[in-house]
Amino acid sequence: AQKVTQAQTEISVVEKEDVTLDCVYETRDTTYYLFWYKQPPSGELVFLIRRNSFDEQNEISGRYSWNFQKSTSSFNFTITASQVVDSAVYFCALTSLGGATNKLIFGTGTLLAVQP
Amino acid sequence: GAGVSQTPSNKVTEKGKYVELRCDPISGHTALYWYRQSLGQGPEFLIYFQGTGAADDSGLPNDRFFAVRPEGSVSTLKIQRTERGDSAVYLCASSLKIAGVGNEQFFGPGTRLTVL
Repeated sequence: AQKVTQAQTEISVVEKEDVTLDCVYETRDTTYYLFWYKQPPSGELVFLIRRNSFDEQNEISGRYSWNFQKSTSSFNFTITASQVVDSAVYFCALTSLGGATNKLIFGTGTLLAVQP
Repeated sequence: GAGVSQTPSNKVTEKGKYVELRCDPISGHTALYWYRQSLGQGPEFLIYFQGTGAADDSGLPNDRFFAVRPEGSVSTLKIQRTERGDSAVYLCASSLKIAGVGNEQFFGPGTRLTVL
């Protein structure tokens, strides 16, 4: 069975603080992909990053960075120097080709509130 | 280029009625997906199309739900005899591929369905 767990339901930080959003996944497949999406108050899911199971390199994009560790089945997301515009619900998602469908299995999301 | 579009943005109907929700994917994307998102939850997979055929409909909750994609582009999700429990935001996504670079899914703004 495939599963994504985002244990943090809500996080509140003050602007300029760093914040890490946790994601733990379960899958029996050896080839899989992990994603992060942002859902701002407007509601539309915005793609942030895609990582495949064979690439454990960490990635940095501006204030965003991602730490993928297969040993702990985690794919955590860090926002450095958070801003009010980062306030949103963030979803971690998993897909594998076990069923050859590319369907995404989402976590329940983490609501991030950045206070000015 | 244009993103995924969905119409209508909001749909209010009465219990027992029939509704159709439309999705127009990104041009050139052969894979199309429908998800359903209830309040406070992550999106849940409903059905996936590769071209014109439904490659995976394992997420459809029951036989009141049906989707088509007759020409391999626009898709329509159809719900018969709507029930109050069908109330949710219905999301459509498309991707260029299902594996490798290009398998990230891009989402539309969703259709908020309310069944009274």
